[in-house]
Amino acid sequence: QVQLQESGPGLVKPSQTLSLTCTVSGGSISSGGYYWSWIRQHPGKGLEWIGYIYYSGSTYYNPSLKSRVTISVDTSKNQFSLKLSSVTAADTAVYYCARGIIVVGTNHYFDYWGQGTLVTVSS
Amino acid sequence: EIVLTQSPATLSLSPGERATLSCGASQSVSSSYLAWYQQKPGLAPRLLIYDASSRATGIPDRFSGSGSGTDFTLTISRLEPEDFAVYYCQQYGSSLTFGGGTKVEIK
Repeated sequence: QVQLQESGPGLVKPSQTLSLTCTVSGGSISSGGYYWSWIRQHPGKGLEWIGYIYYSGSTYYNPSLKSRVTISVDTSKNQFSLKLSSVTAADTAVYYCARGIIVVGTNHYFDYWGQGTLVTVSS
Repeated sequence: EIVLTQSPATLSLSPGERATLSCGASQSVSSSYLAWYQQKPGLAPRLLIYDASSRATGIPDRFSGSGSGTDFTLTISRLEPEDFAVYYCQQYGSSLTFGGGTKVEIK
């Protein structure tokens, strides 16, 4: 059974960089066939895709966040990470990591999700 | 970007009733690359349906998906108490987008 677990600070100051890590267990990030994604949910709102990475390091970002997002992977630790720079209160959200099953090309849907972690941006 | 519009925003039904949730796309979703998720308060979304009509592993057969092009439907044939939740559609035919959600609440 694949499990994903987010970790990182729950409070970030405005203008700083939000950093989260997702640790994958029960399966290898390097096995291929999956994209490893970050998705967020503003309080009481819907889901917003942030970006995703393949184990090889290829990345794809939501155009609306692209200038501030970096996603990286560490296959030796079976982890992938999110950095979101220059945060504001509008970045306060629950951040989820998820595994995406690749259908073809970059087309994928999400079968396993982490439990989510609330990140609050406040001074 | 393909915009997904879910309707209704809220559906008030009783256990045992049939629920019909709609997801409309601003452009045709290629190859019916559409998924449905269920989310309960404080929990992560759970995959129900992928490729518009294929049930994910372990999902009861009272959940079914249908549709193609720009119109998709999630049907819950007989609502169980544990089905009251928020449901999201997601298209993955052109980049990735999620709908705004439909809340199924107890009447």
